[in-house]
Amino acid sequence: KAGVTQTPRYLIKTRGQQVTLSCSPISGHRSVSWYQQTPGQGLQFLFEYFSETQRNKGNFPGRFSGRQFSNSRSEMNVSTLELGDSALYLCASSLLLPGQGVDTQYFGPGTRLTVL
Amino acid sequence: QQPVQSPQAVILREGEDAVINCSSSKALYSVHWYRQKHGEAPVFLMILLKGGEQKGHDKISASFNEKKQQSSLYLTASQLSYSGTYFCGTEDMAGNMLTFGGGTRLMVKP
Repeated sequence: KAGVTQTPRYLIKTRGQQVTLSCSPISGHRSVSWYQQTPGQGLQFLFEYFSETQRNKGNFPGRFSGRQFSNSRSEMNVSTLELGDSALYLCASSLLLPGQGVDTQYFGPGTRLTVL
Repeated sequence: QQPVQSPQAVILREGEDAVINCSSSKALYSVHWYRQKHGEAPVFLMILLKGGEQKGHDKISASFNEKKQQSSLYLTASQLSYSGTYFCGTEDMAGNMLTFGGGTRLMVKP
């Protein structure tokens, strides 16, 4: 099976711009989670989507949003970029069964976002 | 709240053992362990569930003390390939999301 793919792998933007990142989960996985990784804050949960619905959201401002499509692919959007948004954005998919908690997360390679 | 990992960093010689700890202030449903090598994505190692069920690898083991809300990852007879940053992710009883610790950097030298 192909792993989780993320595009683009690298992105450079300037303050005030917006950006959209894409994630394709492992085939058959319906849950997609997004994480922000920075040297100072570590791995922080952004949000999770399951069957096109946002199930959980982390403690991030409303500038961070996401969505999931019927084929389980997911996008996240960051509007009005700030310097502090520079980070590695990781997407993870999992085979979530009804009634289960968090299942094994299979991470993609990430998108490295640099805000100038 | 973020779980606390200790130690923050450890250096080993091949064949030595290491223990990495993860503590939470919340009642936990599960603890997940991941390893991330430099420039790569985190890779799943193990899940420990409330009630004692454990999944993982043979050469790396872990424990979950539900009363203390603590988990420990045991790396025995370390190999060079064990080098990387180890993260614990905790799921509390409200469920459905992982909160990761700050990571433990492990370096194994020949």
